[in-house]
Amino acid sequence: QVQLQESGPGLVKPSQTLSLTCTVSAGSISSSDYYWSWVRQPPGKGLEWIGHIYYSGSTYYNPSLKSRLSISRDTSKNQLSLEMSSVTAADTAMYYCASLIAATGTGYFLQWGQGTLVTVSS
Amino acid sequence: SYELTQPPSVSVSPGQTARITCSGDNLGNKYASWYQQKPGQSPVVVIYQDSKRPSGIPERFSGSNSGDTAILTISGTQAMDEADYFCQAWDSHSVVFGGGTKLTVL
Repeated sequence: QVQLQESGPGLVKPSQTLSLTCTVSAGSISSSDYYWSWVRQPPGKGLEWIGHIYYSGSTYYNPSLKSRLSISRDTSKNQLSLEMSSVTAADTAMYYCASLIAATGTGYFLQWGQGTLVTVSS
Repeated sequence: SYELTQPPSVSVSPGQTARITCSGDNLGNKYASWYQQKPGQSPVVVIYQDSKRPSGIPERFSGSNSGDTAILTISGTQAMDEADYFCQAWDSHSVVFGGGTKLTVL
């Protein structure tokens, strides 16, 4: 079963760029079985899809965040990365890496990492 | 953009049936999934493709989706089912989540 582990700074200053990495194990990030995704959850609030990358390298982003986002992958390290620019306090959240299975008309998250808490504060 | 609406909270007595709704425009034309999240834990999928249960998810969890509403049903609710539940839909390579429902087992 695929396992995911997020890593990155727990504190980011306002206006700076948030950078996170997700290491995938027991599975290949080059697999066509999954979209490799980022989801966040502000403290005490709901889930928000950030975006994902497919094995082909195609990326799909939440329209409300798209202008500040970049999701990439490193197949040699079996990792995916998230960069979010110009962060504000509103970007404070638990950030999850997840594997999404997509088939005809459906897409759902099968596995999730444990999450990493990112706080935006000076 | 597409939106999914859930009630903020649902209460149920142990052993009774809990129903959590998720509403969206013509949601029945898409597939809905449901996630359970307990405090301090990552979400876990309990229903996908409207009504399918992943391995390891108890049979008391079931789902349906028709018209504008998807429903997660928990039969014989147990104390361990107290959690937040989120619905999710897939729409043209994009993901939409509902706002979440806190299920309280009284």
